[in-house]
Amino acid sequence: GDSVTQMEGPVTLSEEAFLTINCTYTATGYPSLFWYVQYPGEGLQLLLKATKADDKGSNKGFEATYRKETTSFHLEKGSVQVSDSAVYFCALKGAGTYKYIFGTGTRLKVLA
Amino acid sequence: SQTIHQWPATLVQPVGSPLSLECTVEGTSNPNLYWYRQAAGRGLQLLFYSVGIGQISSEVPQNLSASRPQDRQFILSSKKLLLSDSGFYLCAWSMTGESGQPQHFGDGTRLSIL
Repeated sequence: GDSVTQMEGPVTLSEEAFLTINCTYTATGYPSLFWYVQYPGEGLQLLLKATKADDKGSNKGFEATYRKETTSFHLEKGSVQVSDSAVYFCALKGAGTYKYIFGTGTRLKVLA
Repeated sequence: SQTIHQWPATLVQPVGSPLSLECTVEGTSNPNLYWYRQAAGRGLQLLFYSVGIGQISSEVPQNLSASRPQDRQFILSSKKLLLSDSGFYLCAWSMTGESGQPQHFGDGTRLSIL
């Protein structure tokens, strides 16, 4: 079945450092891909999405590119801030399905 | 614009008591609706989803049930809570039809069983 694999956390960075959180997936066909962010005690918020190969999703300085050849959707940000500290989830939705498949989440901690 | 409401935000219940968590969506019609549970520091476990009124799909056999009495209302229930039912419960919705539609989540209910 479909699956999403995220890098293990926690990831600890200094403010203004470069961020990469790896995400790879297994799916048949062409799924849609998503990144969500969860702040403590809150629900998940959509951060960005991509729906076809080579699409780049971007929002609030975060970017991720849908790489079909490597089945990856890595999240990047050039300069992180303390306020980016949260848990980040990679997810996919297969074509013709109702279910969304989530990775286990990666906790990011940014130090001032 | 669409909004999703979950309540209560926090709930403390004794073992063996009943449960009812509610979720409503505004600003859209015929959404797909979902209930997830998130254990502390863990990922999301899909419990139920619904593609229409009265249509419920269960993902994990357990002590919980779900109902969808109205188009934009989704209820999670239990007749007798277990200690293992503790967790953070999230309701979500997505639009039907188009591919590539994301899920939108409520603020969650933190359930503690004593």
